[in-house]
Amino acid sequence: EDKVVQSPLSLVVHEGDTVTLNCSYEVTNFRSLLWYKQEKKAPTFLFMLTSSGIEKKSGRLSSILDKKELFSILNITATQTGDSAIYLCAVRTGANNLFFGTGTRLTVIP
Amino acid sequence: GAVVSQHPSRVICKSGTSVKIECRSLDFQATTMFWYRQFPKQSLMLMATSNEGSKATYEQGVEKDKFLINHASLTLSTLTVTSAHPEDSSFYICSARDETATNSPLHFGNGTRLTVT
Repeated sequence: EDKVVQSPLSLVVHEGDTVTLNCSYEVTNFRSLLWYKQEKKAPTFLFMLTSSGIEKKSGRLSSILDKKELFSILNITATQTGDSAIYLCAVRTGANNLFFGTGTRLTVIP
Repeated sequence: GAVVSQHPSRVICKSGTSVKIECRSLDFQATTMFWYRQFPKQSLMLMATSNEGSKATYEQGVEKDKFLINHASLTLSTLTVTSAHPEDSSFYICSARDETATNSPLHFGNGTRLTVT
């Protein structure tokens, strides 16, 4: 059975802290891993990773994939209150399905 | 970039009535669209895959007669919750990819908050 596991489930940090969110997966026919940020409504796309070891960066956010160990991390440096959200990891398989993890709820305290 | 529009954003209905939710791809065509359901403090759960011009593919445990999906054109998919009950109250989100773009991610609509009284 395909599954995506995220940790931690929730995290509370202070502004300025750096956080690392984890996503591990077990799926058949892996195609890509995606990170989304969900605030009050629908998820917004952050990164898509298909190759191991290549870091993707967007401002204070970065992510990397390890296809051998079957996991990805999402890093956020110098966190701000606007980073408070649920971060979802999803894995796309050859069947064109997208399996979501449970998400990590990040709360950034001023 | 690819935009997915979902309507309505919020709906309140009485038990036993039916509710239709629309999902449109605004600047691209999508032969496949996905419908998700999200309960409070939980992740997105795939309900069904909507296929243009053919029957939807439902995930295990999702009642196809209760959640009717129609994908009549390359830019529109609809989800109808029939004979809604309070336990159907949830957040429903659709998504689609621009299939002409290599490795395009899924883009989501803004979701529909359904409350059944």
